Amino acid sequence: KAGVTQTPRYLIKTRGQQVTLSCSPISGHRSVSWYQQTPGQGLQFLFEYFSETQRNKGNFPGRFSGRQFSNSRSEMNVSTLELGDSALYLCASSLAVGTFTEAFFGQGTRLTVV
Amino acid sequence: AQSVTQLGSHVSVSEGALVLLRCNYSSSVPPYLFWYVQYPNQGLQLLLKYTTGATLVKGINGFEAEFKKSETSFHLTKPSAHMSDAAEYFCAVSANSGNTPLVFGKGTRLSVIA
Repeated sequence: KAGVTQTPRYLIKTRGQQVTLSCSPISGHRSVSWYQQTPGQGLQFLFEYFSETQRNKGNFPGRFSGRQFSNSRSEMNVSTLELGDSALYLCASSLAVGTFTEAFFGQGTRLTVV
Repeated sequence: AQSVTQLGSHVSVSEGALVLLRCNYSSSVPPYLFWYVQYPNQGLQLLLKYTTGATLVKGINGFEAEFKKSETSFHLTKPSAHMSDAAEYFCAVSANSGNTPLVFGKGTRLSVIA
């Protein structure tokens, strides 16, 4: 069974640009969560989607947004990129909302903002 | 609100020695507790989790952790370190309603010396 697929694996963008990252969950999983990982702040929760609805949202500015499609695939968008947005963005999928169901993580998209 | 403190950003052990990675949590409600491992350029993999019931939890790759409510701790141990255990380890907490996102510690990098 295929795992969580994140594309692209690496991205280099310029300050002020916008970027879209994609996450395809494990087949049958309906919940997708996004995390930002940086050396200074560690892993921070961005948002969680279930059945195309945002169920939880972390403490990030409005420049960070996401959505989920009917096939459970999810995208996150960051507009007006800042240098501090450079990070590894991780997507996790699970059968349902809630941490009592195991979350499976993708390999991440490493975003570098120059 | 929940938070996690991992004591020691870097731990180094000899091959065959005991591994002990420390995690203390803060939670205003009964917690769910997790340990994840991250290998270089990879996503996170669940090692083990505590939800309810037995306080000593066994996970994959010979790891185990004990939930101690009185000490608000969930330390990760392995009796004998193997070279392949070298990785970054993250402790995480969520409220045991199951519907809140994971809050991660800053991580502990484990090095295993031959």
